[in-house]
Amino acid sequence: GDSVTQMEGPVTLSEEAFLTINCTYTATGYPSLFWYVQYPGEGLQLLLKATKADDKGSNKGFEATYRKETTSFHLEKGSVQVSDSAVYFCALSGSYSGAGSYQLTFGKGTKLSVIP
Amino acid sequence: GAVVSQHPSRVICKSGTSVKIECRSLDFQATTMFWYRQFPKKSLMLMATSNEGSKATYEQGVEKDKFLINHASLTLSTLTVTSAHPEDSSFYICSARSGGGGEQYFGPGTRLTVT
Repeated sequence: GDSVTQMEGPVTLSEEAFLTINCTYTATGYPSLFWYVQYPGEGLQLLLKATKADDKGSNKGFEATYRKETTSFHLEKGSVQVSDSAVYFCALSGSYSGAGSYQLTFGKGTKLSVIP
Repeated sequence: GAVVSQHPSRVICKSGTSVKIECRSLDFQATTMFWYRQFPKKSLMLMATSNEGSKATYEQGVEKDKFLINHASLTLSTLTVTSAHPEDSSFYICSARSGGGGEQYFGPGTRLTVT
């Protein structure tokens, strides 16, 4: 079945440091790939997505490129801020569930803490 | 953006009792709602998918008689954990989506502790 593997963390960085959170996946076919972010006390929010190979998703300074050859979707940001402290989840949408909709498969999440 | 709420945010109950968790889409109509369970340091695990007005579809290994899901309206779905046991203690998260291919919007989650 589908699976997502991401670096577990926690990751602690100083403000303005470069961020990479690795994510690799296993799936049949051509899944869509996502990064979700969960700020403390809030629900998951879609950060960015890519629906086909070589697509680059970007939002709020974060970027991730859909690499089919390496089955990866690594999240990067050139200069992190304290406000980026959150848990980040990599996910893919590929399996068609019995309820008639594509379901999301999540990685375990990576907690990022950015210190001033 | 679209907002999904969950109530309660935290609940503690005694073993053998039942607990109901509500998931509401506040500013859109959710044709499909999803219920997830998250264990510490583990992925979100899809429990079931429910379409408004029809029975929920449960993932393999999820007991439908224990985790009752009702999606009676386009803005409300409920998850009832029946005869709860300590092993049911977990973080339960719902998400909602309008339309067949739309984005899922997530609730903030409910922390259930069974003593």
